[in-house]
Amino acid sequence: LAKTTQPISMDSYEGQEVNITCSHNNIATNDYITWYQQFPSQGPRFIIQGYKTKVTNEVASLFIPADRKSSTLSLPRVSLSDTAVYYCLVGGYTGRRALTFGSGTRLQVQP
Amino acid sequence: EPEVTQTPSHQVTQMGQEVILRCVPISNHLYFYWYRQILGQKVEFLVSFYNNEISEKSEIFDDQFSVERPDGSNFTLKIRSTKLEDSAMYFCASSASGRVVETQYFGPGTRLLVL
Repeated sequence: LAKTTQPISMDSYEGQEVNITCSHNNIATNDYITWYQQFPSQGPRFIIQGYKTKVTNEVASLFIPADRKSSTLSLPRVSLSDTAVYYCLVGGYTGRRALTFGSGTRLQVQP
Repeated sequence: EPEVTQTPSHQVTQMGQEVILRCVPISNHLYFYWYRQILGQKVEFLVSFYNNEISEKSEIFDDQFSVERPDGSNFTLKIRSTKLEDSAMYFCASSASGRVVETQYFGPGTRLLVL
């Protein structure tokens, strides 16, 4: 299972773009990169998933360089409601279905 | 949008008592999961369930834990003899196909407090 490293916490202000980078040096060929979000006292919620290059949905963008040893979750124009913990997970089709959560990045958005 | 639901939202019990946590997964999903999160700690996998049997379990999921799908909609986690250290938030999740990279949809959780 590829180990992931992300910043423990980040601070931002409303309206700014936030980029959270995750390192996964040991990512395997079959591994996908998935990001989940967790609000206090709630279950994790899927945000975005990608394999390479760039993926965008209505919530975020995910940038993955060619070597795939890191990935960056980009949240455009954050609001107070984006205050949450963001988890980077790495796993592949041949791995376990169990999700392995790290400590995540605690994003605090200020007014 | 379909959601995973869990009951109760909060449960307080005495050490040594049995508790049953209930979940209703999303209706066309085939794989079901339980996770727990002790206050201030990481979300930890407990067990996954498919086709009426356990497909994976973690070291945490010892003999005091059991899971069941008693009917076509409910999925339950039973803790036979609760310990103080079982106090945590318990999350149920489900996924459509069980592919490793399939999105898992989490419920709102049950906060269990063991006194």
